[in-house]
Amino acid sequence: QQQVKQSPQSLIVQKGGISIINCAYENTAFDYFPWYQQFPGKGPALLIAIRPDVSEKKEGRFTISFNKSAKQFSLHIMDSQPGDSATYFCAASIRHTGNQFYFGTGTSLTVIP
Amino acid sequence: GAVVSQHPSRVICKSGTSVKIECRSLDFQATTMFWYRQFPKQSLMLMATSNEGSKATYEQGVEKDKFLINHASLTLSTLTVTSAHPEDSSFYICSARTGREYGYTFGSGTRLTVV
Repeated sequence: QQQVKQSPQSLIVQKGGISIINCAYENTAFDYFPWYQQFPGKGPALLIAIRPDVSEKKEGRFTISFNKSAKQFSLHIMDSQPGDSATYFCAASIRHTGNQFYFGTGTSLTVIP
Repeated sequence: GAVVSQHPSRVICKSGTSVKIECRSLDFQATTMFWYRQFPKQSLMLMATSNEGSKATYEQGVEKDKFLINHASLTLSTLTVTSAHPEDSSFYICSARTGREYGYTFGSGTRLTVV
């Protein structure tokens, strides 16, 4: 059972465009939603994370939008660059349990020059 | 800060042999380490959770005797793939809770190829 559903599976964006990746979850106990960026042959690296008490968090070109009622959150990459080409994973966890992350299935982003 | 060093990055071994993968937390104490397996173009699948000084908790379907996890200190956790077979070939990644802003940091991964 996939705890976190992620779409699209792959995404091609023109340089300078906006990349949008969406995730949805069912477990309302989740209270921490990070996004990870992974390059081929490397471990995932934390990109940005949000807690459900805010609806949006922005760090540079990366923004998380969070819709608690819809149980959805998304990653927006503004002014996408070829160097952003990577696989992106959303995740969810329950902070106080120290539990593991439940990862989405990943989105392969390709930014073409 | 909050770096997890994972070694080796790549290993090729013969079928039937054992391989040990190490993850070290360099600048923090990792009381909990998570071990993931990732197949090409797929998501990370949690294999087991290890806590320092106690037995690891394995996810359903993961063979405890095949994937031995040891977390003997606050800075070192190891995964040993015993009697490896070609189907064990995969990308193995460790992750530790850093305690900062409830963050987790990942190792750089180990590409295991069993021939």
